[in-house]
Amino acid sequence: AQKITQTQPGMFVQEKEAVTLDCTYDTSDQSYGLFWYKQPSSGEMIFLIYQGSYDEQNATEGRYSLNFQKARKSANLVISASQLGDSAMYFCATLGMDSSYKLIFGSGTRLLVRP
Amino acid sequence: DGGITQSPKYLFRKEGQNVTLSCEQNLNHDAMYWYRQDPGQGLRLIYYSQIVNDFQKGDIAEGYSVSREKKESFPLTVTSAQKNPTAFYLCASTSPVVGPYEQFFGPGTRLTVL
Repeated sequence: AQKITQTQPGMFVQEKEAVTLDCTYDTSDQSYGLFWYKQPSSGEMIFLIYQGSYDEQNATEGRYSLNFQKARKSANLVISASQLGDSAMYFCATLGMDSSYKLIFGSGTRLLVRP
Repeated sequence: DGGITQSPKYLFRKEGQNVTLSCEQNLNHDAMYWYRQDPGQGLRLIYYSQIVNDFQKGDIAEGYSVSREKKESFPLTVTSAQKNPTAFYLCASTSPVVGPYEQFFGPGTRLTVL
């Protein structure tokens, strides 16, 4: 079964600095996808970025980039130039191997941006 | 604007009561999902539906029921059989036709048992 591990329960970063949130995954599937979501205190899950296992380039979306290291089974999220509004929970997820297209989530990392 | 709406935002339930959480989407997505989130945890799948009039149990379906009579709507009923229903409930949808299959989420319903 697939599993997502996020080992950092909480992180601090100074405003305008970059921060890396760790995510490791376990899957036996050859083709898979990895997602990062942001959950502000309001509770809604906001899709940030996606990386496919066959994508040769690391995904980037604005200030978000994904450091994808397939051999190490890691898909770390890098947030550049942190802003106060980046303070939130961040979840890494992957698609289930069955046909449900369900997401399997890690336990999340709480990021706090200091002014 | 296309999106997913959930209501109510907050819901209080007495022990022994059934309650229904609403989820509506106008994204024309075929697949819809219900997740439960406990404090400090990730999301766990309760039920999902990939087509009207069909739905499947997820990882923690006991004590919950759903229906999918319309493409736009996927209500979740929390029954009295659910022993610990206090949690945050999120509805999501996706179009399982073209990848990458990212899911779009509603704002959530926070359920508290009194």
